[in-house]
Amino acid sequence: EDKVVQSPLSLVVHEGDTVTLNCSYEVTNFRSLLWYKQEKKAPTFLFMLTSSGIEKKSGRLSSILDKKELFSILNITATQTGDSAVYLCAVEAGSGGSNYKLTFGKGTLLTVNP
Amino acid sequence: ETGVTQTPRHLVMGMTNKKSLKCEQHLGHNAMYWYKQSAKKPLELMFVYNFKEQTENNSVPSRFSPECPNSSHLFLHLHTLQPEDSALYLCASSQDLRRYSGNTIYFGEGSWLTVV
Repeated sequence: EDKVVQSPLSLVVHEGDTVTLNCSYEVTNFRSLLWYKQEKKAPTFLFMLTSSGIEKKSGRLSSILDKKELFSILNITATQTGDSAVYLCAVEAGSGGSNYKLTFGKGTLLTVNP
Repeated sequence: ETGVTQTPRHLVMGMTNKKSLKCEQHLGHNAMYWYKQSAKKPLELMFVYNFKEQTENNSVPSRFSPECPNSSHLFLHLHTLQPEDSALYLCASSQDLRRYSGNTIYFGEGSWLTVV
């Protein structure tokens, strides 16, 4: 059974801090790893990672994938209160066609205090 | 605005009621999904439709009945639910299920369901 484990489950920081969120996985036929941000509504897409060692960056957020060690990290620098949300990691796996599957972790609840 | 619209946003229903959740996507996608999000649990995939055909039923109880009349619309019919079915139900869509598509799923804002 495919598994995605995120850590920590929750994190409280102060504005300006840098945080690192972790996602490890065990899946069959890995295709990609996705990060989402969820603020009491629809999860919104952040990054999709398919290759090891290539950093994806968007403003203060960045993410990297290690396919050998089966994990990804999401970094947020100079955090702001607006970064407070649940960050979801999901892994796409499958051999194609109807065997495609997206497995989610439980999420990391990030709270950024002023 | 993600291009996936769900209604109603909030629903309270009794255990003997019949209600439906509706999802519409304006992205031209061919695959649609229902997910259940309960407190402190990972998102759970319920159903997958690809080109209107159901491709996955993730052992969902029959009191949940999906319907996909076309690639843009997805319904979840609810009947004789239990209090433990209270959760956020998220609809999502993606281009399709092709293995090389590097699928990216887009979510609706969800329907908060409370069963009393």
